[in-house]
Amino acid sequence: SSELTQDPAVSVALGQTVRITCQGDSLRNYYASWYQQKPGQAPVLVIYGQNNRPSKIPDRFSGSSSGNTASLTITGAQAEDEAAYYCNSRDSYNNLEVFGGGTKLTVL
Amino acid sequence: QFQVQESGPRLVKPSETLSLTCSVSGGSIANSSYYWAWIRQPPGKGLEWIGSIFYSGSAYYSASLKSRITISIDTSKNQFSLKLNSVTAADTAVYYCAPYTMVRGVSKFDPWGQGTLVTVSS
Repeated sequence: SSELTQDPAVSVALGQTVRITCQGDSLRNYYASWYQQKPGQAPVLVIYGQNNRPSKIPDRFSGSSSGNTASLTITGAQAEDEAAYYCNSRDSYNNLEVFGGGTKLTVL
Repeated sequence: QFQVQESGPRLVKPSETLSLTCSVSGGSIANSSYYWAWIRQPPGKGLEWIGSIFYSGSAYYSASLKSRITISIDTSKNQFSLKLNSVTAADTAVYYCAPYTMVRGVSKFDPWGQGTLVTVSS
């Protein structure tokens, strides 16, 4: 089966830009989706596909993909963006779903 | 826009069966554009997809949990359910349900239920 690999932790200064990455073979065949999870809350979809945002998600969130790597970019990070971020895609080996291990984003 | 809500026992004894139900509102669970998924998260850890089911009853499961899982659907009640047997402390987790779509290579779970913490303990 395929795995999705994320950096465990990333930090960004308030108002700066941060990129969170997700690597895996399945990303050559499937797009990633990204979920934001704040402590004690359920995950929320923030980006899906090439670069699609649900209507309630601020436009400072964007997505991109190249080869086996998908990226979530936050342009002008805000304090409320501090959260864990998880990527997800379909595993191209067995057509089952897989999540990355998550990245804890700290806004300094 | 769908809303989903998990329900079921919060405490399960080791070796017994964990049973949860997800109630769907805001639309029909028989909508052919959607699958219905269970995902779990052990305390302090990441997300793990458990399995998904279509309104027809066609289901597919995580390879690591397949031998212990049954996901079923009741279109008359607009609900779907999870049964995980022979549980151990490692199955202690927050269990989430969510509608799931896969369109043109893009899968997404949206929106998620609030989640329910199930503890496996004697």
